Amino acid sequence: GEDVEQSLFLSVREGDSSVINCTYTDSSSTYLYWYKQEPGAGLQLLTYIFSNMDMKQDQRLTVLLNKKDKHLSLRIADTQTGDSAIYFCAESPSGNTPLVFGKGTRLSVIA
Amino acid sequence: EPEVTQTPSHQVTQMGQEVILRCVPISNHLYFYWYRQILGQKVEFLVSFYNNEISEKSEIFDDQFSVERPDGSNFTLKIRSTKLEDSAMYFCASTLEEQFFGPGTRLTVL
Repeated sequence: GEDVEQSLFLSVREGDSSVINCTYTDSSSTYLYWYKQEPGAGLQLLTYIFSNMDMKQDQRLTVLLNKKDKHLSLRIADTQTGDSAIYFCAESPSGNTPLVFGKGTRLSVIA
Repeated sequence: EPEVTQTPSHQVTQMGQEVILRCVPISNHLYFYWYRQILGQKVEFLVSFYNNEISEKSEIFDDQFSVERPDGSNFTLKIRSTKLEDSAMYFCASTLEEQFFGPGTRLTVL
């Protein structure tokens, strides 16, 4: 079945860039998402990218997609303490099909 | 900005009891979902709902689970006879194109 893999932990200093990586197995993945989950809270949609795109930028967030290697990354520029959270990568073949999530990467930002 | 809402935020129940988790999806969305997240684990898909019927369900969604859209706004998940292993965070989501999630209901089964 489909699988999404992420590293579990990332620690960065405030002001540095964070790069969270994700790999997926489903070659029919069309929608690739990044969600943020703060402690005790729900899943906040940060951004998503279509598989026919290589890059998407939205303010401090940059998503890079290497479709050949099935590798997705989320770069957060000028990381702040408020960015400390768990970041989930997810994929689906279309906008209406269920998402397959990774286990999430816990980002810790050190002041 | 429209959002998905869920009630209650936290539900505590005894094993064997029935629970109903409620969701109000974003009003113009057409597809609705339930996911769950056991503490420290992945978010897992349970069921999707479209045009007043289940469109897809996972292996987790067995006979003790059911979903309903009783009126034009609410979307509910019922667990008939809760087990200890049903303790989890339950998320509702809705979509037109990208999926938006509610804040979740934390279910604790004692």
